[in-house]
Amino acid sequence: EAQVTQNPRYLITVTGKKLTVTCSQNMNHEYMSWYRQDPGLGLRQIYYSMNVEVTDKGDVPEGYKVSRKEKRNFPLILESPSPNQTSLYFCASIARESYEQYFGPGTRLTVT
Amino acid sequence: AQSVTQPDIHITVSEGASLELRCNYSYGATPYLFWYVQSPGQGLQLLLKYFSGDTLVQGIKGFEAEFKRSQSSFNLRKPSVHWSDAAEYFCAVGPFGGAQKLVFGQGTRLTINP
Repeated sequence: EAQVTQNPRYLITVTGKKLTVTCSQNMNHEYMSWYRQDPGLGLRQIYYSMNVEVTDKGDVPEGYKVSRKEKRNFPLILESPSPNQTSLYFCASIARESYEQYFGPGTRLTVT
Repeated sequence: AQSVTQPDIHITVSEGASLELRCNYSYGATPYLFWYVQSPGQGLQLLLKYFSGDTLVQGIKGFEAEFKRSQSSFNLRKPSVHWSDAAEYFCAVGPFGGAQKLVFGQGTRLTINP
C-alpha cells in the first residue's frame, strides 16, 4: 500500500529545544515536500527535495532545515523552535508522472 | 503569481442535500487543478483532478468538479451529502516549477446537519 508516514503525530515542546519530524515514503518517489497548514492560509510549502542530497527552499523556509540522505526519508528539522512555528505540518511524496501528491497524516506541533 | 481562492470558509448543509464548494484560481496558462479532502485528524486525500479534456471530472466518494475556463473556476459538487462528508476541503493548482509546489486555497470547512 502506498504510504507516507510521519512521526510524531503530536508534539508539544518549548522554545529553543531542537526537534525533528520524520517523514518516510514507500513509493520510490524522487520528489518530496514539506508544507505547513495554518488557519485561513491553506498549506504553504516549506522545503522540497528533488532527489537524494538535492533540497531547496519553498515559500516559508525560515527557521527550518531538511535533509535527504536516503530516497525514502525526508526529515524536517527545527533547530530552535519558536511559538510562531506552532502549526500542522504535512509531508508529501510526489508522483511526477501523474502529478499526484501523497500526504502524510500530519504532525501537530505546539511550541510554548 | 498563482493563487487560489475559496470564497466560503464554512458551509453547513443538511444530510441528503446537494453541495457545491467554490474555487477560483489565478494562473496565466491552463492549470492542473485538484480537490483534496481533510477529515478530522487525517492527512489530505485526493478527491479528483483536472489536467485536460472533458471539463467535468468524476472523483471518489461521489464527488465531481467542473472546470470553467471563462470563469477561472473549478467548483466541487455532490448531489447528496452524507454525514461522513463533514471535513475540510482544499482546492489546489499546480504543480509549479522544480519545487513541484501546489498552491492551495484557504480551505472550506463543511458541516453536515442531521
